[in-house]
Amino acid sequence: AQSVTQLDSQVPVFEEAPVELRCNYSSSVSVYLFWYVQYPNQGLQLLLKYLSGSTLVKGINGFEAEFNKSQTSFHLRKPSVHISDTAEYFCAVSDRTGRRALTFGSGTRLQVQP
Amino acid sequence: DTGVSQNPRHKITKRGQNVTFRCDPISEHNRLYWYRQTLGQGPEFLTYFQNEAQLEKSRLLSDRFSAERPKGSFSTLEIQRTEQGDSAMYLCASSLGWEPYEQYFGPGTRLTVT
Repeated sequence: AQSVTQLDSQVPVFEEAPVELRCNYSSSVSVYLFWYVQYPNQGLQLLLKYLSGSTLVKGINGFEAEFNKSQTSFHLRKPSVHISDTAEYFCAVSDRTGRRALTFGSGTRLQVQP
Repeated sequence: DTGVSQNPRHKITKRGQNVTFRCDPISEHNRLYWYRQTLGQGPEFLTYFQNEAQLEKSRLLSDRFSAERPKGSFSTLEIQRTEQGDSAMYLCASSLGWEPYEQYFGPGTRLTVT
């Protein structure tokens, strides 16, 4: 069984400031890791994923995340946010074999202020 | 590639009525997933198909829920005798089933049971 904890339910930040959204996971098996973004009234869109290899993963819209196996973390970062980044962000894991269904965290609301 | 589509986008029904939702995945995707998302929470896995075979159902999926994927194409999710606790966003996602394992989500069907 897997679980995902997103430590912040809301993160307010000013435009052009850096941001980090935190994610910790628990699993008895090796997992794949994902970050999804959900804009109002839209479906989930994949930002980035970690399958294997380099622990620093770059995604769309200038986001990146670092996989830390010892700390079981996969924090999402962006060096300079825009108003358009305001959305709900979900961290998710899936097992590497079998169903590969996603287990999501409860989400972090990123509110970018001018 | 028109993405994953879901219909209807919104459904309001009275308690005790039956409802059916439809999901059309990306055409070459052999895996199809259903998730449920309640307010302020991340999506939760309900069930998934590989081609036309339903391979797993979550314990969240009570006997009132049934899903089908005839011919391995579109899928339907039916809820019988709806209850107020069924009010949620129902999300469909599809994937290739092999790398890069990315799941593409539809916009969801929002169900309100009155």
